[in-house]
Parts: sequence; structure tokens; C-alpha cells
Amino acid sequence: DVKVTQSSRYLVKRTGEKVFLECVQDMDHENMFWYRQDPGLGLRLIYFSYDVKMKEKGDIPEGYSVSREKKERFSLILESASTNQTSMYLCASSLPTRTDTQYFGPGTRLTVL
Amino acid sequence: SQQGEEDPQALSIQEGENATMNCSYKTSINNLQWYRQNSGRGLVHLILIRSNEREKHSGRLRVTLDTSKKSSSLLITASRAADTASYFCATVPANAGNMLTFGGGTRLMVKP
Repeated sequence: DVKVTQSSRYLVKRTGEKVFLECVQDMDHENMFWYRQDPGLGLRLIYFSYDVKMKEKGDIPEGYSVSREKKERFSLILESASTNQTSMYLCASSLPTRTDTQYFGPGTRLTVL
Repeated sequence: SQQGEEDPQALSIQEGENATMNCSYKTSINNLQWYRQNSGRGLVHLILIRSNEREKHSGRLRVTLDTSKKSSSLLITASRAADTASYFCATVPANAGNMLTFGGGTRLMVKP
């Protein structure tokens, strides 16, 4: 079974702090994704990566950056956290073919005070 | 913008009843997928239906796809309290590589 893990289930940070969210997958998937999920807005793609050191902006990249130094690990970085970044963050991975399903981690609920 | 839109937004039924959720989308697709999310957890893939398929079954799940109407439905038969969750449709648009686009979800509550 594919396993996608995220470093924290719950995280509380203060405005202006630098925040790292880590995601690790164990199935050698090429694609990895970061989404945020907010009530009434569904899942919105922040960034995705299709290979090591490769990244593409999603629908809402502003205020975020990502890092993929190793195939199994995809990090989401909030350079200076703001209260409007309080959300549920979901990481996913998939094979590179166009019809493949995505496998999700359990999510990190981030609160920025 | 969301490619898929689920209907209804919320559904409450009694255990044993069938639950039907609908999804409409805007552009041509390669496939459509349904996912389930338990409260506060990640999404779990349920079923994938390709654009050249009209119906697919998996256990108590039945998915239909009507590409002429750009719509899909997810039927859960003989529902159980454990089916309580949010259900999302996600499409792979024909010109968007491997980019899934999710709808807003249907919150299903199954009362014991």
C-alpha cells in the first residue's frame, strides 16, 4: 500500500514565523502535490512537483514555496506565516501517467495566530 | 475555479438507505475520480471511471458517467454509519496533464 506521511497533524504558529510542512511518500512516485483545503472552497492546488528539483505553481502559490531535494520528500514552506494561511494542508503523490490516482497524506491542520 | 461541482452539498439519510451524489464538470475529461474524506483526515481514492466508460462498480459503490451531459453520479447502496464522510469528485481535464481538479464535496451523514 502507498503510504504518504506528513510531519505534523496539528501545528500552531505565530504571524511572521517561517513554517515548514514535510511530506514523505514511500512508493517512488514521480509526482507530489500540496493542496490547502478550506470550508466552501474545496481543495486548491498550491504547488506540485513532477521530479526532483522540479516544481510548478498551482492555483494559489502566493505566500508559499516548495522544495524537493529527494524523490520521496516534498516540503511546503511558508516564508512568513499570516493568519489567512490558517488551513488544512494536504500532501499527495502519484505516478506520472495522466490517469493515475493521487494518494493523500492525513493532512496538517495549521493555525496561525 | 472548480472544474467539478457536487450536488447536494449535504445529504442526511438513515442506515440501510441508498445515497446518491452528483458531480457536474465543465470541460472535456480523460477520467473522473471519486474520493472520500473522513472528518479531519486525508482523501482516499474510491473509484476511477474513464471517459469511454459509462458505468463502473466497486462493492457497494456504483458510478455512472454521462459525457454528453458532463456529469457523474456516485451511488452508495445499503449505507452504513461508517459511510459518513465527505465525498469529492475530481476530474482530469483533457488538456491538463495529471492535474486533478476537485469539486467542493458532498457531506454525507448516515444515521444509525
